[in-house]
Amino acid sequence: ETGVTQSPTHLIKTRGQQVTLRCSSQSGHNTVSWYQQALGQGPQFIFQYYREEENGRGNFPPRFSGLQFPNYSSELNVNALELDDSALYLCASSLTPTDTQYFGPGTRLTVL
Amino acid sequence: GQQLNQSPQSMFIQEGEDVSMNCTSSSIFNTWLWYKQDPGEGPVLLIALYKAGELTSNGRLTAQFGITRKDSFLNISASIPSDVGIYFCAGHGSGGSNYKLTFGKGTLLTVNP
Repeated sequence: ETGVTQSPTHLIKTRGQQVTLRCSSQSGHNTVSWYQQALGQGPQFIFQYYREEENGRGNFPPRFSGLQFPNYSSELNVNALELDDSALYLCASSLTPTDTQYFGPGTRLTVL
Repeated sequence: GQQLNQSPQSMFIQEGEDVSMNCTSSSIFNTWLWYKQDPGEGPVLLIALYKAGELTSNGRLTAQFGITRKDSFLNISASIPSDVGIYFCAGHGSGGSNYKLTFGKGTLLTVNP
């Protein structure tokens, strides 16, 4: 059984640019949740996708957007990058929206 | 919004000692989870708790879901050097936002061999 995978591992962007992060869910999981983890903090919920629809959203601005595809993989897009967007971005998959979430290794985004 | 207060913030212990950390909330949680995170990695699930009062073990780890549904603790017995890392509590809240996980700020554990 394949676990949650994310790409790329690391990314460096400059302020104002746009970025796309990718996540493949664990086999059999139809729900993907995205989290932002700043240095020294716990992960913060960005949004969740269930069966290709956004199922809930945390306190993040609209420039954070996402997609989920028919194979349940997902993308996180961030427009107009700001310095504070530098963080580890984590994707988690689960069997259903309220089931236990299993995390990928994360993408480290640095905004200069 | 829902918040989790996790303590202690950090711990320095000798190999072989037992460790205890806990998490409290001002609101009810339906699920409590404990994760371990190594530097630059994603959180790895250690124990999941689904019922108030539930006590669950995973090897040297034991966790309990508080009877009030507002707290949980994690114990590690006979610590070893590979226990080093950051431990996070997390939970699914009750009500309409039960799909998202709320995390504590983590407990940094250092084990001296």
